[in-house]
Amino acid sequence: GAVVSQHPSWVICKSGTSVKIECRSLDFQATTMFWYRQFPKQSLMLMATSNEGSKATYEQGVEKDKFLINHASLTLSTLTVTSAHPEDSSFYICSAREGEVRPQHFGDGTRLSIL
Amino acid sequence: GESVGLHLPTLSVQEGDNSIINCAYSNSASDYFIWYKQESGKGPQFIIDIRSNMDKRQGQRVTVLLNKTVKHLSLQIAATQPGDSAVYFCAEKKRAGANNLFFGTGTRLTVIP
Repeated sequence: GAVVSQHPSWVICKSGTSVKIECRSLDFQATTMFWYRQFPKQSLMLMATSNEGSKATYEQGVEKDKFLINHASLTLSTLTVTSAHPEDSSFYICSAREGEVRPQHFGDGTRLSIL
Repeated sequence: GESVGLHLPTLSVQEGDNSIINCAYSNSASDYFIWYKQESGKGPQFIIDIRSNMDKRQGQRVTVLLNKTVKHLSLQIAATQPGDSAVYFCAEKKRAGANNLFFGTGTRLTVIP
């Protein structure tokens, strides 16, 4: 149980393109979803937290107009990287949690490469 | 500042031996800790968690120990197998009601066959 599916797993696109990443909880209702960014050989850095039906809460230094997050249902959250540039290239990982006391479960990440 | 860190960035163990991965945290108000395993190119996988009202919790081949006095967390893996090779992160929930976890730096565990 507690499966989180992230799509796509890998995307390469040209600079200036907007890219949408989907995160789905397959067998539980994700009241809260989280988006992380991970650079090579580094830890996960939280970008934003979203509760279903509410606006996302962004961490300091994360541009909300650059990284658009939508959490419209209890099983789906999307992250859109708008007008992506090479410096946005990274590994983006979502996680989801049911309720307040259960652990977060992670998707397998999306490797984004901007040319 | 508040931080979660690991004592060792890399750890190599012989197959069949026990592994111990350590983690230090600095916020005494943290009430929940999780160990995750991350294999190359994948997202973190939940291993085991522990709340601050406990000092030990066991799972299948894994044990987490929490020493609140010295703010130290460890993950013990029994009879380490090649499939255990990965990066291990401890994550800390820094305060009651907080919605997110703060991840440590990570330790790369390499199991030598």
